[in-house]
Amino acid sequence: DAKTTQPNSMESNEEEPVHLPCNHSTISGTDYIHWYRQLPSQGPEYVIHGLTSNVNNRMASLAIAEDRKSSTLILHRATLRDAAVYYCILRDFSGNTPLVFGKGTRLSVIA
Amino acid sequence: GAVVSQHPSWVICKSGTSVKIECRSLDFQATTMFWYRQFPKQSLMLMATSNEGSKATYEQGVEKDKFLINHASLTLSTLTVTSAHPEDSSFYICSAPPGTSGAGELFFGEGSRLTVL
Repeated sequence: DAKTTQPNSMESNEEEPVHLPCNHSTISGTDYIHWYRQLPSQGPEYVIHGLTSNVNNRMASLAIAEDRKSSTLILHRATLRDAAVYYCILRDFSGNTPLVFGKGTRLSVIA
Repeated sequence: GAVVSQHPSWVICKSGTSVKIECRSLDFQATTMFWYRQFPKQSLMLMATSNEGSKATYEQGVEKDKFLINHASLTLSTLTVTSAHPEDSSFYICSAPPGTSGAGELFFGEGSRLTVL
């Protein structure tokens, strides 16, 4: 799997938007961009994924650069419950392959 | 939505004993399941891929005789840590994709925390 690069940690104020960046300069044409998050002492939780176009769901938005070499996960209004480690992962669409986790970004939310 | 459930959530055992962790897909069939472990303050590391009706595929450095994986049905995979030692203490997490394409999301269990005394 192609590698991704994320900042180790970020901090946000509660009720403010949060933009979590991810670089994936070696992404291939068959890679989907997946985002998962892991709250303390829990298994990872799916957040969002996309291929080329920006995606929105009830949890977040995913903005994908035109060249697909980077993406940004957007939490529109951070809450204390959003404090977690966020993982940006590339997954080839052609096979039922596992997710390969990097270190992710630890998001802290300040009340 | 699809749910994956693990049992037990936590277990404490004595060194030298074996521990079985179950991973169930509750509302979908999973021909493949993935097992991860996570040490404190580290990321998830893939241990093995479990395939229904066939042998599991282990990642490099994972002892297949120590971490026995059985995927006997389309909704159940088990991980048995044999002759557990304190260094096996970790957070074990399973994951299952409801589909066969890499385009879809994966669902994760709640995790099982193993402490070996």
